Amino acid sequence: EIVMTQSPATLSVSPGERATLSCRASQSVSSNLAWYQQKPGQAPRLLIYGASTRATGIPARFSGSGSGTEFTLTISSLQSEDFAVYYCQQYNNWPPYSFGQGTKLEIK
Amino acid sequence: EVQLVESGGGLVQPGGSLRLSCAASGFPFTSAWMSWVRQAPGKGLEWVGRIKSGGTTDYAAPVKGRFTLSRDDSTNTLYLQMNSLKTEDTALYYCIAVITGTAAHPYFDSWGQGTLVTVSS
Repeated sequence: EIVMTQSPATLSVSPGERATLSCRASQSVSSNLAWYQQKPGQAPRLLIYGASTRATGIPARFSGSGSGTEFTLTISSLQSEDFAVYYCQQYNNWPPYSFGQGTKLEIK
Repeated sequence: EVQLVESGGGLVQPGGSLRLSCAASGFPFTSAWMSWVRQAPGKGLEWVGRIKSGGTTDYAAPVKGRFTLSRDDSTNTLYLQMNSLKTEDTALYYCIAVITGTAAHPYFDSWGQGTLVTVSS
């Protein structure tokens, strides 16, 4: 089973600044990685798939990069609505589809 | 518009059973792979199981042998039969459809709002 590890657990950033979230896989997942955003009381929402492709309707300030075992989600200029929990997920070797434990992005 | 509406959650005693339903609309259900993902209170996301178009199923290790996924393509409904429930199964259960994804790239592009299952005596 592939283990996904996200860092940091919590990230404090000021509005307007850049946020960089990391995700590491225990073995290569090629580019078969997705990022999800979850706001309090809401279901997760797909942000990025294929490591770097934005899902429909996702603003351009969200970008993903990486392949193999190291991945990054970058939010270029944080808006108030971006403060949430972010999860990475691999879908290269399944089952199971494994998620990271999440990074909470909070207002500094 | 894609809609996934879960129902059937509630309070059940350890060892009991519950069946969750997910009513799907707005996309070709018959050809979609469907999954359940759960989230324990205050915790992260955990994949539970998947059913392909055609009915092949896969399960996460913690639920294998206790949970069963099924689908009714005539009514566009996904089911999760949960038996021998344990306290650690307490979670919000999300229904998920793979619509824009493919068999080779089955990312989770559509999520329901979830139904809460509480296992407690």
